[in-house]
Amino acid sequence: AQSVAQPEDQVNVAEGNPLTVKCTYSVSGNPYLFWYVQYPNRGLQFLLKYITGDNLVKGSYGFEAEFNKSQTSFHLKKPSALVSDSALYFCAVRDISWNQGGKLIFGQGTELSVKP
Amino acid sequence: DGGITQSPKYLFRKEGQNVTLSCEQNLNHDAMYWYRQDPGQGLRLIYYSQIVNDFQKGDIAEGYSVSREKKESFPLTVTSAQKNPTAFYLCASSMGQGFPYEQYFGPGTRLTVT
Repeated sequence: AQSVAQPEDQVNVAEGNPLTVKCTYSVSGNPYLFWYVQYPNRGLQFLLKYITGDNLVKGSYGFEAEFNKSQTSFHLKKPSALVSDSALYFCAVRDISWNQGGKLIFGQGTELSVKP
Repeated sequence: DGGITQSPKYLFRKEGQNVTLSCEQNLNHDAMYWYRQDPGQGLRLIYYSQIVNDFQKGDIAEGYSVSREKKESFPLTVTSAQKNPTAFYLCASSMGQGFPYEQYFGPGTRLTVT
């Protein structure tokens, strides 16, 4: 079965420090991986995705993610955190089962808190 | 949230009543999705539709129904058979299913049933 896990419920970072939000996946075959961000009482916003190619993917708002096939990980990173980055972050993997209509399988989310 | 509208933002209903949540998109996307979000559980897929007049059950379809009569609209009905309907409901759309397109999400509807 395909799955994605976010091992940390919450990550706390000081403003200006680098941040990492972790994600590991389990799929058969090549994974298609996504990161989304959600602000309180809002929908999810797409940040970036990995399909193939360069293992370092750059996305919106200065975020990037590193795909590591041997460790089955897709960690989200940012060199310098901002207070406005505080939000709920979701990792997702596309279900590659036949006829799943592009379904995404989401992790449970990681709450990022950036303190001044 | 651009391109996908959900209404209303907040909805209150009495137990035993059916309620319909609206989802409209102007992105000309073929595929549309409904997710349910509960605290600490991430998003769970309720129904999805790849083309007009066609839809499939997701992981938690029991107690829900949908229709897809128009490309831009994918309303979700929460029926009285849904045992725990209070949740945040998110609608999404994507260009299609053949390529790993990202999904775009609406702002959500928070449903409270008492």
